[in-house]
Amino acid sequence: DTGVSQNPRHKITKRGQNVTFRCDPISEHNRLYWYRQTLGQGPEFLTYFQNEAQLEKSRLLSDRFSAERPKGSFSTLEIQRTEQGDSAMYLCASSWVGGGQETQYFGPGTRLLVL
Amino acid sequence: AQSVTQLGSHVSVSEGALVLLRCNYSSSVPPYLFWYVQYPNQGLQLLLKYTSAATLVKGINGFEAEFKKSETSFHLTKPSAHMRDAAEYFCAVSEEASGSRLTFGEGTQLTVNP
Repeated sequence: DTGVSQNPRHKITKRGQNVTFRCDPISEHNRLYWYRQTLGQGPEFLTYFQNEAQLEKSRLLSDRFSAERPKGSFSTLEIQRTEQGDSAMYLCASSWVGGGQETQYFGPGTRLLVL
Repeated sequence: AQSVTQLGSHVSVSEGALVLLRCNYSSSVPPYLFWYVQYPNQGLQLLLKYTSAATLVKGINGFEAEFKKSETSFHLTKPSAHMRDAAEYFCAVSEEASGSRLTFGEGTQLTVNP
């Protein structure tokens, strides 16, 4: 088990284009979180899944953003009609929730630059 | 609502000196507190977490943190800084032990001078 992985690690796109990021959590982890981190700031929560169900979405997640976790394993985060303000690091974290205190393990992130 | 305040966006210490990174929290319920470290262009790595079992929590790489309810603080310390400790440190709070989103502070960039 090599931890949480994210692809791509870097993405440069032009304003108005759609982008999709992938997150592969640690095997058997039932929770998967997405966070966004802008320069000089801490990560901000976007959304999370319990298995394949999306249980909570932040108000930060505009209708241009959509996330899925179709089989309760990997997850994708899509941004439609990207804007320059979407430029950030997108972090994925996974955890096992089933008794005891949860610990979230983070991936290396996908850095998005919108030109 | 929960929030975290990290006092000092930049802290600079000499190698071998004490490291003290400050974190104060606000939470309407008993909090669950975490410190993460982020090296350049990498994700976050968990340093330690407060589970309510003990107020003094020991983590990896020689770091520890003390939960003080009366001061609503969870400061991170290390007796002797090493060059490899240079990174950004984030304090985070969760309101549920069984799983919940993390609310992060803005981070403290630690510089270690030779």
